[in-house]
Amino acid sequence: AQKVTQAQTEISVVEKEDVTLDCVYETRDTTYYLFWYKQPPSGELVFLIRRNSFDEQNEISGRYSWNFQKSTSSFNFTITASQVVDSAVYFCALRSYNAGGTSYGKLTFGQGTILTVHP
Amino acid sequence: DGGITQSPKYLFRKEGQNVTLSCEQNLNHDAMYWYRQDPGQGLRLIYYSQIVNDFQKGDIAEGYSVSREKKESFPLTVTSAQKNPTAFYLCASSEGLAEYNEQFFGPGTRLTVL
Repeated sequence: AQKVTQAQTEISVVEKEDVTLDCVYETRDTTYYLFWYKQPPSGELVFLIRRNSFDEQNEISGRYSWNFQKSTSSFNFTITASQVVDSAVYFCALRSYNAGGTSYGKLTFGQGTILTVHP
Repeated sequence: DGGITQSPKYLFRKEGQNVTLSCEQNLNHDAMYWYRQDPGQGLRLIYYSQIVNDFQKGDIAEGYSVSREKKESFPLTVTSAQKNPTAFYLCASSEGLAEYNEQFFGPGTRLTVL
């Protein structure tokens, strides 16, 4: 069975602080992909990043960075110098091949972390 | 601009009524999905479709039905059999069902049962 856990339900920071959102996953598949999505108050999910299970390189995109560690089954997301516009719900998700014995790669979401950045 | 549109944005339904949520995409994607989001929870898959005239149940399909008569359209009907339909519904699409295909989401429809 697949599972994604985002233990932090809510995080509140002041603008310009750095913040890390945790994501821990479980899967028995050796080939899988991890995703982060942002859901602003408008409701639409915005794709942020995709990482495959064979690539453990960290990634940086502007103020965003991601740390993927297979040894701890974690895919954490850090926002540097947070801004008010970063306030949103952030979802970590997992998708693997042959989950459940079918050819469809089911996308499993964590519960989400509500990030509030105060001015 | 390519994207996914969902309508209506807000929908109110009386108990016992069926309602249909619209989802249209112009991304030329083969795969489409419907998710349900409840407060404080992640998204749960209702139905998905790999190709026209084909669709499969997701984790919480009971009380829902879908059709896929056109590649760009994947409407969801919430039937009276759905016991607790009040939720936020998100439609998504991707190039295919492969695990590396990221899914793109629409703006969602908030359904409230009165």
